[in-house]
Amino acid sequence: DQQVKQNSPSLSVQEGRISILNCDYTNSMFDYFLWYKKYPAEGPTFLISISSIKDKNEDGRFTVFLNKSAKHLSLHIVPSQPGDSAVYFCAASRIQGAQKLVFGQGTRLTINP
Amino acid sequence: GAGVSQSPSNKVTEKGKDVELRCDPISGHTALYWYRQSLGQGLEFLIYFQGNSAPDKSGLPSDRFSAERTGGSVSTLTIQRTQQEDSAVYLCASSPGPTGNTIYFGEGSWLTVV
Repeated sequence: DQQVKQNSPSLSVQEGRISILNCDYTNSMFDYFLWYKKYPAEGPTFLISISSIKDKNEDGRFTVFLNKSAKHLSLHIVPSQPGDSAVYFCAASRIQGAQKLVFGQGTRLTINP
Repeated sequence: GAGVSQSPSNKVTEKGKDVELRCDPISGHTALYWYRQSLGQGLEFLIYFQGNSAPDKSGLPSDRFSAERTGGSVSTLTIQRTQQEDSAVYLCASSPGPTGNTIYFGEGSWLTVV
């Protein structure tokens, strides 16, 4: 049962343009969502998060949007830079009850010069 | 160090042998996770420790896998009678408290079973 899904295994974007990574979840109890970035041979690093009381959170070039009714979140990167090329994982959990993070399968983003 | 530390960073083992992977979480973090990522796959949850609560072992793929966390700090993931399908990078992460906080990953232990 894949509770968090990233349906695009890969995405290619031209440098300077906007990258949009999508994530869907099935568990309506999830109320905290995160994006992680992973370079080859490194552990994932935290990028940005959002709680269900918000529908948008922005940090520099990165913005996460949450649509609770659609159980969908997205990560926007603008402008995209070559260093953004990595695998991006979305994750979800419930804040209450010490619930574990559930990760999606990841999307490999390639930024082309 | 300040981050999550994992050892060994790389391990090659023969099929059928047992392996132990170690994780030192960030000091003071009460929550500790093990995930693994097989080639071309996503992050697969294995086990979760939170304080003194019973661990959530729901992600362990078989009874060959076990994990301990001693003194609420260091954790060891043990894989008995390794199989080739166990080859993956095993990632440990910790967080200050129950989920809702950001979790911080180590660099991973790359296991190859030959």
